[in-house]
Amino acid sequence: KAGVTQTPRYLIKTRGQQVTLSCSPISGHRSVSWYQQTPGQGLQFLFEYFSETQRNKGNFPGRFSGRQFSNSRSEMNVSTLELGDSALYLCASSLGPTGELETQYFGPGTRLLVL
Amino acid sequence: LAKTTQPISMDSYEGQEVNITCSHNNIATNDYITWYQQFPSQGPRFIIQGYKTKVTNEVASLFIPADRKSSTLSLPRVSLSDTAVYYCLAGVNTDKLIFGTGTRLQVFP
Repeated sequence: KAGVTQTPRYLIKTRGQQVTLSCSPISGHRSVSWYQQTPGQGLQFLFEYFSETQRNKGNFPGRFSGRQFSNSRSEMNVSTLELGDSALYLCASSLGPTGELETQYFGPGTRLLVL
Repeated sequence: LAKTTQPISMDSYEGQEVNITCSHNNIATNDYITWYQQFPSQGPRFIIQGYKTKVTNEVASLFIPADRKSSTLSLPRVSLSDTAVYYCLAGVNTDKLIFGTGTRLQVFP
């Protein structure tokens, strides 16, 4: 079974631009979560989608948004990029909320550099 | 939120057993304890998960005492390829997971 895939793997943008990252979960997984990882802040939760609905959201500004499609694929968008948005963006998929902590399977990440 | 505390780094040699302890004093009744491994420029990889007592799989063991305020990840006979950052998490909902800074394990030949 193929793992979580993320595209693109690397991206360079300039301040003020916007960016869209894509994530394809493991087949059959309906929950997709996004994380931002930086050397200073570590791994921080952005948001989670399940059945095309945002279930949870972390403490990030409104410039960070996402969506999930009917095939469970997800995209996240960052508008008006800032230098501090440079990070590794990770997507994780899981089967879905079952009342227990689902094992999350992470993709390789998209490394975003904002100049 | 169940915050976890781990040692920042640990060193070991190939073939040794490594035990990484995680403190989670304010763990909630329904929180699970999960460990992930992360290599540079890769996403974290699930290692093991447990609720209480002991859990063992093909790569690690997880020991959780009765009070559940701490847990220990045990890696038997580590190799160079086990050099990575190990994260301990306590929670039940994705949005309440705090990865923390993790433990950087360095295995020497």
